[in-house]
Amino acid sequence: GAVVSQHPSRVICKSGTSVKIECRSLDFQATTMFWYRQFPKQSLMLMATSNEGSKATYEQGVEKDKFLINHASLTLSTLTVTSAHPEDSSFYICSALGQGILGANVLTFGAGSRLTVL
Amino acid sequence: SQQGEEDPQALSIQEGENATMNCSYKTSINNLQWYRQNSGRGLVHLILIRSNEREKHSGRLRVTLDTSKKSSSLLITASRAADTASYFCATVAGYSSASKIIFGSGTRLSIRP
Repeated sequence: GAVVSQHPSRVICKSGTSVKIECRSLDFQATTMFWYRQFPKQSLMLMATSNEGSKATYEQGVEKDKFLINHASLTLSTLTVTSAHPEDSSFYICSALGQGILGANVLTFGAGSRLTVL
Repeated sequence: SQQGEEDPQALSIQEGENATMNCSYKTSINNLQWYRQNSGRGLVHLILIRSNEREKHSGRLRVTLDTSKKSSSLLITASRAADTASYFCATVAGYSSASKIIFGSGTRLSIRP
C-alpha cells in the first residue's frame, strides 16, 4: 500500500532557529500533500495544501512566511518552521493524497514530527 | 474551524464490548472517512463511505451515514485492547484532487482488559 515517510520524528531546537520537516511519498506520486498541526488531545488543524510545482495554499490564520512549504517534486514536500518560538512547539503531520476505492480521495499520513522549541 | 464534531470525546469500555462513536458535520459532502490515530503517531485510514451510501462494513467495523441528519457513526464490535486509540471522522466536500479533507474533533477510545 501507499507509504508516506516523514522525517525527523522528533526535533528539539533553540528559539530563533529554523527547522525543516520532510514528507516523502515512497511508492506513489503525490501532486497534493497536506500539512496539519495537532495539539495534545486535539484534532488535526489543516495548515496548508502543498501543490507540486506551485505555491502552497495556506489556511486562514496560518502565516506563510512563518511556515514555508516547498513541494519541489512529485514525491517530496517540506515544511520549514522559521525563527521558531516555544509556541510553535507542536506535533506536525503531513499527508499525501492518493486514490482510494473508485477514485475517492484518501489520505496517507506520515508518522508525524514532534517539534519542541526551547 | 473543524467541520465535524464527534461524540463522545472520550469512551472507556470493557474488552469484548462494542464501541460506538458518532460524528456530525455541517456542509454537504462527497464522502466521509474514518481514521485511527495511535498516541503520538500519524493517522491510518480505516473506512470510507460515499454520500450515496448508508452503511458499510469492514471486518469488525461498521459505518453508517445519514446525510439528512449530517451524521455518521462508527461501530467497533467485539473490542480488543489493541483498539485503544483516537478515532477521527473526516469529510471531503469536493470532487477534485485538491478537495480539502477536514477532520472532526475525535473520540479517544480506551479498552479496559
